[in-house]
Amino acid sequence: GQSLEQPSEVTAVEGAIVQINCTYQTSGFYGLSWYQQHDGGAPTFLSYNALDGLEETGRFSSFLSRSDSYGYLLLQELQMKDSASYFCAVSRGSYIPTFGRGTSLIVHP
Amino acid sequence: NAGVTQTPKFRVLKTGQSMTLLCAQDMNHEYMYWYRQDPGMGLRLIHYSVGEGTTAKGEVPDGYNVSRLKKQNFLLGLESAAPSQTSVYFCASVRGKEYEQYFGPGTRLTVT
Repeated sequence: GQSLEQPSEVTAVEGAIVQINCTYQTSGFYGLSWYQQHDGGAPTFLSYNALDGLEETGRFSSFLSRSDSYGYLLLQELQMKDSASYFCAVSRGSYIPTFGRGTSLIVHP
Repeated sequence: NAGVTQTPKFRVLKTGQSMTLLCAQDMNHEYMYWYRQDPGMGLRLIHYSVGEGTTAKGEVPDGYNVSRLKKQNFLLGLESAAPSQTSVYFCASVRGKEYEQYFGPGTRLTVT
C-alpha cells in the first residue's frame, strides 16, 4: 500500500520561512505534488517534483529526495494569506494519486 | 471556461434518502475523480473514471455509485444516505498530467 506522513499543524509568523515535510512509502513512485487549500475552498495545485532537488515557483519551493522518500514545501516571506492547509500527494503513474492528511499552516502577525 | 463545477453546493439529507451529485468540466479532460474530505483525513478517493463510459472503485467506494455517460460529466450517487456519509465531496479532473488535478468547489453534504 501507500502511506504519507506530514505534520498536522505548523505555525509561523508573518515574513518568516516555514518548511512542511512529507515522508512517503509507496511502490512505483513517479513524483510528489503539493496542493494548497484555504478554509471552505477547493484544493489548488502548487508544484510537482519528479526528480531530486529543488523546484522554485515564486515564494514557494518544493524539494524531493527519492532515496530518502522525503519531500518538503518551503514557503518564504510568509503572508497572512498563506494560512491554509497543504497536502502532499504521491503519483505512481496510474493516474490515481494518494494524498496525505494535510498540514494546517497558521501564520501569525 | 468554467473549469470544474459541482451541483449542488450544499445539501441536507435524511437517513435513507437518495441523491445525485453532478460534476461537470469543460476542459475536455479524460480523467475524472470523486473524493470525500473529512476533518483530519485528507482527500480519500471514492471512484474515478479514465474516460467516457468507464468507472472504477477507489479507496472508499462503499455506499456510492457513479456514472460517466458523457465525457464532460461525472455523477456520484448515494442510494441510501447514512450519517457516515456526511462530508465534503470534491470532484476533480486531470488534463493529462496525473499530478495536476483541477478541483471543483465542493459539495457540503449533511445526513441527519
